[in-house]
Amino acid sequence: GENVEQHPSTLSVQEGDSAVIKCTYSDSASNYFPWYKQELGKRPQLIIDIRSNVGEKKDQRIAVTLNKTAKHFSLHITETQPEDSAVYFCAASQGTSYDKVIFGPGTSLSVIP
Amino acid sequence: NAGVTQTPKFQVLKTGQSMTLQCAQDMNHEYMSWYRQDPGMGLRLIHYSVGAGITDQGEVPNGYNVSRSTTEDFPLRLLSAAPSQTSVYFCASSRALTGSHEQYFGPGTRLTVT
Repeated sequence: GENVEQHPSTLSVQEGDSAVIKCTYSDSASNYFPWYKQELGKRPQLIIDIRSNVGEKKDQRIAVTLNKTAKHFSLHITETQPEDSAVYFCAASQGTSYDKVIFGPGTSLSVIP
Repeated sequence: NAGVTQTPKFQVLKTGQSMTLQCAQDMNHEYMSWYRQDPGMGLRLIHYSVGAGITDQGEVPNGYNVSRSTTEDFPLRLLSAAPSQTSVYFCASSRALTGSHEQYFGPGTRLTVT
């Protein structure tokens, strides 16, 4: 089955700097890759997702890149702000009606003011 | 819309007891799933369902049962609780057939097994 790895497990950046989180997946059939943000004590929420027919997707200060050949994808956050501090999870699935979504172990991001 | 609701919010069980965690959604989503969250291990899929009457195992199904008799409800049953099942449990739902695959999570149930 699918296995998703995520690095680093913790990340501290100064406010205004960029943060990059990297994930790898094992199942070449996966073609849907969402990213979720979980603030302390709250539920995970989707922040961005990408499908295998797209190499990069941006939404304001966040972007995701995908390399299907290497089976890895990354989350980029620019101009970080204290409210970006949270745990970020990547995930992978085949993106069909009947496929499960497998999450990585998470990255705890701290943005230092 | 209430979205995805879970009850109870907190629960303490003794080893060997059984209980059911409730999950309901009012968005007419076909896909529902249960995850457990443990420190450093992310969200691990327990069971999932793609529609009423259809369930399947996830990554860590042992010790848990599910059923999906209606589109709205997806209860998770712990058959004989063990300390290793101490965790935070999240239920999630999404549209399966068309459109976004965004999963909407419930608020979670914090379970402690002593």
